[in-house]
Amino acid sequence: EVQLVESGGGLVKPGGSLRLSCAASAFTFSGYSINWVRRAPGKGLEWVSSIGSTSTYIYYADSVKGRFTISRDNAKNSLYLQMNSLRADDTAVYYCARGSGPHPWAAFDIWGQGAMVTVSS
Amino acid sequence: DIVMTQSPDSLAVSLGEGATINCKSSQSVLYSSDNKNYLAWYQQKPGQPPKLLISWASTRESGVPDRFSGSGSGTDFTLTISSLQAEDVAVYYCHQYYRTPLTFGGGTKVEIK
Repeated sequence: EVQLVESGGGLVKPGGSLRLSCAASAFTFSGYSINWVRRAPGKGLEWVSSIGSTSTYIYYADSVKGRFTISRDNAKNSLYLQMNSLRADDTAVYYCARGSGPHPWAAFDIWGQGAMVTVSS
Repeated sequence: DIVMTQSPDSLAVSLGEGATINCKSSQSVLYSSDNKNYLAWYQQKPGQPPKLLISWASTRESGVPDRFSGSGSGTDFTLTISSLQAEDVAVYYCHQYYRTPLTFGGGTKVEIK
């Protein structure tokens, strides 16, 4: 079954760091762009970051630029999101989502179940 | 940034009746080189991740019931549920993937009347 599984969520203090991982299975990971999308409590979906299939294209939302870093390891079928200088408004469920093509300009056709990140003192 | 504005914020529809959700983008998401609208619709049920229903504004994903349809071009788009079923209770989002930053509409909550 084609799937994405996030891990690494948890409770962290403001100013702290966390690293999310997303493990892919049952598809050719290296052929697709992958994205991070979050949903804060009581809010809608917010795109966070995208990475193309070969890591050539990398983009961030302004709200996380300079604090978050997306990366991928195609040999390990894995995606990562390093989150630094976390703030309370970063509290959300973080989803990894596959783009339907190798470039970031694609609909998100496969989603993970999500990882909860809570930033609180 | 391309702003996606959905309407209404919520709607309540009787079982078997139709539902229409609108989405307007602040700039055209029609790419002239391939004549495709870079617009998708997702359904998110409570406690579940979003599910892609429609891409390219009107292409239904495999396995999505044909009561869901998408239409529109340029800046104005519509998601229509022709005959609402109980399992369609969810929040629906439009999404433009024409240009970064990629953006979503604010969501429309669909409930049973």
